[in-house]
Order: sequence, then structure tokens, then C-alpha cells
Amino acid sequence: ETGVTQTPRHLVMGMTNKKSLKCEQHLGHNAMYWYKQSAKKPLELMFVYSLEERVENNSVPSRFSPECPNSSHLFLHLHTLQPEDSALYLCASSRQEAYNEQFFGPGTRLTVL
Amino acid sequence: AQSVTQPDIHITVSEGASLELRCNYSYGATPYLFWYVQSPGQGLQLLLKYFSGDTLVQGIKGFEAEFKRSQSSFNLRKPSVHWSDAAEYFCASPPPSVTYKYIFGTGTRLKVLA
Repeated sequence: ETGVTQTPRHLVMGMTNKKSLKCEQHLGHNAMYWYKQSAKKPLELMFVYSLEERVENNSVPSRFSPECPNSSHLFLHLHTLQPEDSALYLCASSRQEAYNEQFFGPGTRLTVL
Repeated sequence: AQSVTQPDIHITVSEGASLELRCNYSYGATPYLFWYVQSPGQGLQLLLKYFSGDTLVQGIKGFEAEFKRSQSSFNLRKPSVHWSDAAEYFCASPPPSVTYKYIFGTGTRLKVLA
């Protein structure tokens, strides 16, 4: 596989569930990102990892917990979510150096009931 | 605050017509600017980017964009739109102080009439 992949593509969960989103990049990049895309809102940066260290945590609620075990994989662990967390969650990667373009995965469409 | 603005939320054009999507930025220094496209149910794909040099930038799928410092703009253009261009288009730029933290515009949704 090439590029940035995300699984699952669709997820429906109750507010008491625990689930994880997975992102994998095959581009040799060393920076990875989680974004939230909600209807009628700008793309929101949630987390940034550079060389497997978190460099940005953009005031995201603790019910979202990221994990970056290596430069190719990024997870977003979800627990006790709220209906307003329903959105498209996008993963992206880039080379670490400044101003490099980000390559996006197809996203996970999350619905919280 | 630094910002990227896309004034048009929706644009409708006929197939074969020309297209221009507007993007304005608020940074003082020469910015790094990107245009991305998002088809329904997909992630964002890079169309083109501007870092420096020639202010007219060519991208994929027949798109081009022109950087105009005097107008703080980076408008996306295509001379003849195809039905497959229907998608949402995002302009983005990292502020000089935080280079990995892209600021995205709110997007312009393009509808193409047959």
C-alpha cells in the first residue's frame, strides 16, 4: 500500500464505548497529524507528532488520547465521547522539516450515538 | 490573528466554463501557500503550492494559482472545468511562527453543472 491509510473508514459508537482509530503512512515521513473535520467548520488540528514526540495538543478534551508508537503509525484512542464529537477524523503526515506539504488519509467517519 | 480566508462558501459553474476560487491570507511576510481538494468521502489532496519564485504556480489536474502580494491573495484558477472537479477546495498556510500548524480556510464547495 502507498500513501496514508486509515482504519476503520466508518465507525459508529455509543457514548460509553472505547474504540481506536488507526493511521499508517508509507511515505517515510516523520511527522503525523490528527485533524477533526466537522460540517461548516474549518479543519481543526488536534495533535501533532514529530519524530514520535507530541509537539502539539491543541486543547483537545482528554476523551481523545493519541499514541504514536513509531514514525509510521498513529492512533487516536476514544472513550466516553459525546455526540458533538461526530465528525470526519483525518490523519496526515509530512516530512519533519518546516513548510512541507501534508499528505492526508481518507479519514474515518465517526458517529457517536 | 493570522488567518486564511476563502470568501466563497459555494460556487456553481457550468462544465467547460472557467473557474476562479479566492483565497486571502493575513500574514505580513511572504507566506507558504497551498491549495487542497477534497472529493466526497475522501481526504485532502494537494493541488499545488507556492513557496517563492514565480508567482504563477502550476498544479495537478490543470489547476494553477497566482500569488499576488499586493492583494494578499492566492487564487486558484482553471480555464475549463470538468464535471469531475466538483469537490471542496481548501486554501492553507502555516504561519511563520509555527510552521507545521497549517491554518486552513473554511473551504469552497464547487458544483459543476452539465
